[in-house]
Amino acid sequence: AQSVSQHNHHVILSEAASLELGCNYSYGGTVNLFWYVQYPGQHLQLLLKYFSGDPLVKGIKGFEAEFIKSKFSFNLRKPSVQWSDTAEYFCAVTRNTDKLIFGTGTRLQVFP
Amino acid sequence: KAGVTQTPRYLIKTRGQQVTLSCSPISGHRSVSWYQQTPGQGLQFLFEYFSETQRNKGNFPGRFSGRQFSNSRSEMNVSTLELGDSALYLCASSLVPEGEKLFFGSGTQLSVL
Repeated sequence: AQSVSQHNHHVILSEAASLELGCNYSYGGTVNLFWYVQYPGQHLQLLLKYFSGDPLVKGIKGFEAEFIKSKFSFNLRKPSVQWSDTAEYFCAVTRNTDKLIFGTGTRLQVFP
Repeated sequence: KAGVTQTPRYLIKTRGQQVTLSCSPISGHRSVSWYQQTPGQGLQFLFEYFSETQRNKGNFPGRFSGRQFSNSRSEMNVSTLELGDSALYLCASSLVPEGEKLFFGSGTQLSVL
C-alpha cells in the first residue's frame, strides 16, 4: 500500500540551528508532494509543494524542500530556524487525482 | 474571503452514540475532504466529495459516512461511537479534487467517553 514515512517524530533545536526533516514515500510513478505546517492552536496550512520542474522548491518563511526521485524522498530544510517555527510538520503525497496521503508528522520545538 | 468553517468546535459523546460534524468550504470550492488526526497517527484520510459525489474513500469502517450538499457543504457522520474514535476531525476544501492545494478548517475535537 502507498505510504508516507516521516522518521523524525520529535525534533528539538536551538534558534539559528539548521533543520532537515525527512520524508519518504512508497508511490511509484509521477507524484505530487507537499509539506503542511500546523502552528500551535492554528489550522493546517500549506508550506510548499512540488508538482514538476525544478526539484528544489522554495516555500514560505525560508523553508525549502528537495525532491530526489531516486530516493523517493522530499526532505524539508531551513538553514536557520526561529522560535516561531515551533510547530508540527506534515509531509503529504498524491498521485494524479488520487487521495492525499499524509505522514504521521514531525513535532519541531525550537528553543530561544 | 471566509475560510473553511467546521462546527461544532468541540464535542463530547459516550460510547454507542452517533455524531454529525459539519463543514462549510471556502466559497467557490467544490471539493471537500475529511481527515482524522490523532497523536502518533498523523492525518488519516476518511473520504473526499466533489459535486455531491464521493470520489475517494479511506480505510475506515462503515460506521463512518459522509455526504455533500448542492451548496458544497459537507457533513460527516459516525454511528455507534467507540472510544478509539476520539480524535480531531479535519475538513479541507479545494477548488478541484485532490492534488491541488487544500485549505483546512480548525477541526472538530471529538471526545468519546
